Amino acid sequence: DIQLTQSPSFLSASVGDRVTITCRASQGPSNYLAWYQQKPGKAPKLLIYAAFTLESGVPSRFSGSGSGTEFTLTINSLQPEDFATYYCQQLNSYPLTFGGGTKVEIK
Amino acid sequence: QVHLVQSGAEVKKPGASVKVSCKASGYTFTSDAMHWVRQAPGQRLEWMGWINAANGNTKYSQKFQGRVTITWDTSANAAYMELSSLRSEDTAIYYCAKDRGPTGFSPWGQGTLITVSS
Repeated sequence: DIQLTQSPSFLSASVGDRVTITCRASQGPSNYLAWYQQKPGKAPKLLIYAAFTLESGVPSRFSGSGSGTEFTLTINSLQPEDFATYYCQQLNSYPLTFGGGTKVEIK
Repeated sequence: QVHLVQSGAEVKKPGASVKVSCKASGYTFTSDAMHWVRQAPGQRLEWMGWINAANGNTKYSQKFQGRVTITWDTSANAAYMELSSLRSEDTAIYYCAKDRGPTGFSPWGQGTLITVSS
């Protein structure tokens, strides 16, 4: 199984900050790596797929990068609606797996 | 607009089974697979399995093999996930999510809370 480790698991940031979340894989998922945003009481929402492709309708302040076994999600100029938990997911091999999540809270 | 609507919350006793439904609209149901993912309190998202809505073929996570059954009804545009031999650790929110191949899961259903308690 491909294990995904996210860091940090929690971060405190202010509106306008630039935030970076890292997802490390135990084996390379090729670029079949997606990022999701989940708000309390809601289902996850797809933000980025194929490591760096922005999902339609997602603000351009979100971006993805990386390759091999290390991937990042960056949020430029954090907005109030961005405070949420973020998960990475690998879609390269079964079982499909998710990272442990990164909770972004208001400082 | 693609929309997935799941059945409501349930409380089950240990050892029982539960079946959650996921009704799809806004697209051709048989054109895409459907996944099931669960999220226990404070835990990460956990993939359980999926069904190919074109032919009913399924693939399950080994963790749930033997306890989970995913089915579908093309006439109802619905997928179902049944989990048997429930235990307290199965208390979680269960989601269905539409497959987009290697480009992720989207959209997701609203989630169904299953509580296992004696």
